[in-house]
Amino acid sequence: DGGITQSPKYLFRKEGQNVTLSCEQNLNHDAMYWYRQDPGQGLRLIYYSQIVNDFQKGDIAEGYSVSREKKESFPLTVTSAQKNPTAFYLCASRYTSGGSTDTQYFGPGTRLTVL
Amino acid sequence: AQSVTQPDIHITVSEGASLELRCNYSYGATPYLFWYVQSPGQGLQLLLKYFSGDTLVQGIKGFEAEFKRSQSSFNLRKPSVHWSDAAEYFCAVGAGYGGATNKLIFGTGTLLAVQP
Repeated sequence: DGGITQSPKYLFRKEGQNVTLSCEQNLNHDAMYWYRQDPGQGLRLIYYSQIVNDFQKGDIAEGYSVSREKKESFPLTVTSAQKNPTAFYLCASRYTSGGSTDTQYFGPGTRLTVL
Repeated sequence: AQSVTQPDIHITVSEGASLELRCNYSYGATPYLFWYVQSPGQGLQLLLKYFSGDTLVQGIKGFEAEFKRSQSSFNLRKPSVHWSDAAEYFCAVGAGYGGATNKLIFGTGTLLAVQP
């Protein structure tokens, strides 16, 4: 099946610990994205990557880091510098062809809770 | 700055009734517009999108939306709601450099409840 997978679905972390969220896609999409979702605030962009070995900060990048070593994978690390990391994290990907197929598709999400 | 407003935080409709969810955007150029749906604890699923052409677009699950440039609106409609439509609905505008959908601006969502 083609799609976007995120793991784990639920993640618990102690304060002061770094944690890495996984995002994998087999859609052959060029671009990948990480969003954070909090109740009543919609989705906010953390980081995005349009090609391998390149990525850009989004609107709320502080306290997060990413890598893009493979086209299929875009892991997100939530560092201890992130002051309020408890949230629902969504990964998305997009085939950068332009035109009517240019659309972001989303994974199932990871809920991170800091204890 | 680009923005998307969904003025209704929470809407309740009866099963079988019609539905309209409002979305207003602020964007200087011709926008790329999207509606996504999210069930609790799940990711976002694309319902429909508008890029150009016919201003009335059809989507999945019987939904449609109409782009009205004069009103800066892209309202989502369904003629008869089913209990399975209960979910949160997000409107988004594609507002990115390097590709119109490289950056999506999302509204804060409308939570739809369906009464039997």
